[in-house]
Amino acid sequence: DAGVIQSPRHEVTEMGQEVTLRCKPISGHNSLFWYRQTMMRGLELLIYFNNNVPIDDSGMPEDRFSAKMPNASFSTLKIQPSEPRDSAVYFCASSFYGLAAPPGAKNIQYFGAGTRLSVL
Amino acid sequence: DAKTTQPPSMDCAEGRAANLPCNHSTISGNEYVYWYRQIHSQGPQYIIHGLKNNETNEMASLIITEDRKSSTLILPHATLRDTAVYYCIVRVVGSRLTFGEGTQLTVNP
Repeated sequence: DAGVIQSPRHEVTEMGQEVTLRCKPISGHNSLFWYRQTMMRGLELLIYFNNNVPIDDSGMPEDRFSAKMPNASFSTLKIQPSEPRDSAVYFCASSFYGLAAPPGAKNIQYFGAGTRLSVL
Repeated sequence: DAKTTQPPSMDCAEGRAANLPCNHSTISGNEYVYWYRQIHSQGPQYIIHGLKNNETNEMASLIITEDRKSSTLILPHATLRDTAVYYCIVRVVGSRLTFGEGTQLTVNP
């Protein structure tokens, strides 16, 4: 498997524009996670899907952020309108088990290479 | 999930063993110790995890003390490519991965 695939790798946009980040999880994985990494806040979980259903979006910073998972092989994270403070590296991760894994399960999350977003 | 404490940075000579410590004195009986690393400009990468027994895989060894209040990740023969931030995470299987500050390991030639 090619691993978790994210696109684009880099995105530069102007304040107010809509930004869409894309993620293809590892085939067969049932859970998908979106993270954001900044120098100030480190790596933080934004939203988690299990079987294509959003389970926990408590980390989504505000209504400008939305995420969808229309099928098991694709997810998007959208920011509309974008602001300079949204500049960060956004990572997608997938795992076979979600946040209800059985005892003893490895429950490893595999991360993509990330999308570096710059909002000017 | 239990809180972890790691040194902010460590250095290691290439070819030598790198021993990265982690304190997790409030760990609960059903919490595992996970280690991830993040090489610059890449996504985090799983290394190893364990509950109470020592574990070894092709990447590293994990030594957990008998009282489970601390652990050590061992890279037996560090290379320049092992330079990365190493995260020790304590979690119940299935709970969130919460990344702290980690340890910046620099492997020097």
